[in-house]
Amino acid sequence: DQQVKQNSPSLSVQEGRISILNCDYTNSMFDYFLWYKKYPAEGPTFLISISSIKDKNEDGRFTVFLNKSAKHLSLHIVPSQPGDSAVYFCAASEGGNKLVFGAGTILRVKS
Amino acid sequence: DSGVTQTPKHLITATGQRVTLRCSPRSGDLSVYWYQQSLDQGLQFLIHYYNGEERAKGNILERFSAQQFPDLHSELNLSSLELGDSALYFCASSVGLAPTYEQYFGPGTRLTVT
Repeated sequence: DQQVKQNSPSLSVQEGRISILNCDYTNSMFDYFLWYKKYPAEGPTFLISISSIKDKNEDGRFTVFLNKSAKHLSLHIVPSQPGDSAVYFCAASEGGNKLVFGAGTILRVKS
Repeated sequence: DSGVTQTPKHLITATGQRVTLRCSPRSGDLSVYWYQQSLDQGLQFLIHYYNGEERAKGNILERFSAQQFPDLHSELNLSSLELGDSALYFCASSVGLAPTYEQYFGPGTRLTVT
């Protein structure tokens, strides 16, 4: 049972444009959400997070939006840069328990 | 460099064998997490240790076990290996108890079971 779903396996965006990565979840008890980025041959690195009491969190070029009623969150990257090309994982937690990860979305930023 | 080290980087072994994966967390981090990433799958949480004590278990098979030692390094033991155990195994560490603290991941150990 996939509680966290990233339905787009890949996304291709032109440099300078906006990248929008989407994530849906089924467990309404999730109260904390995170995005991790992974380059080939490296472990994932933390990018940004959001608590369920908020609907938006921004950090530089990265913004995460949370829509609890739709059980949906998205990561916006503006402007996209070639160095952003990586696999992006969405993760969720319920009550500080284990992280549940999505399958990831491959982002390719073309220059 | 995340500061988390994992050894070995690659491991090739036969079905039925037993292997040990090792993880050294970042200096000062008390939590160690183990994850499995199979082909085209997300990261599957296996187990969490905090300061030597098991804190949470995920979908970890009974053939798998782990421990965290007094110096805070951790080992993941995989026994009676099957072809389906072939995967990337990541270790992550964080300073706090909750998994929502930023986790720092090692580069992973790629296990191939033939």
